[in-house]
Amino acid sequence: RKEVEQDPGPFNVPEGATVAFNCTYSNSASQSFFWYRQDCRKEPKLLMSVYSSGNEDGRFTAQLNRASQYISLLIRDSKLSDSATYLCVVNTGGSYIPTFGRGTSLIVHP
Amino acid sequence: DGGITQSPKYLFRKEGQNVTLSCEQNLNHDAMYWYRQDPGQGLRLIYYSQIVNDFQKGDIAEGYSVSREKKESFPLTVTSAQKNPTAFYLCATRGGGRGGSPLHFGNGTRLTVT
Repeated sequence: RKEVEQDPGPFNVPEGATVAFNCTYSNSASQSFFWYRQDCRKEPKLLMSVYSSGNEDGRFTAQLNRASQYISLLIRDSKLSDSATYLCVVNTGGSYIPTFGRGTSLIVHP
Repeated sequence: DGGITQSPKYLFRKEGQNVTLSCEQNLNHDAMYWYRQDPGQGLRLIYYSQIVNDFQKGDIAEGYSVSREKKESFPLTVTSAQKNPTAFYLCATRGGGRGGSPLHFGNGTRLTVT
């Protein structure tokens, strides 16, 4: 079983739609969680950290479910510019080694 | 202007040659990481360093080597022993902080070996 798993998609949605991605992790000792956005042929960029109580940044909402060992990202009112690959990252162990999921591709169309 | 600089952006080499990818940072971060990304794949950890003069193997260290002689620099050498070196290489840093801080990435080096 992979340590961090994501549905690769692609998720193909119209502008204005709400879309949600999940990411499951296998190590119950994982301590910190993040969502990154990666555009084609570019480096990943931090989208948001994920906090236990859930957190929101504009149209983006991240949640953590420790009991079921998954994190989620909700995007409301999708824009064309949201088209990208979304990577989840889980930090585990005393050294907080970051482990990446393979990413979920989102395509927002007019 | 703070950040992480990877150079060169594109690198072409012949099979059998060693090549060194540069990663320099002025964020004063202790931890530095090298990841490899293949098309349609996630990032896989090659090596990481938590402190100067110390580094650890990641999941796919075979055929690679690193050094960490200065806090600012963490060069990666792709040796001829790496069977399939063509990939997108990403250097990242991380500052301290309880629970683990997020990674910050350089722009990457795209290596093509023929």
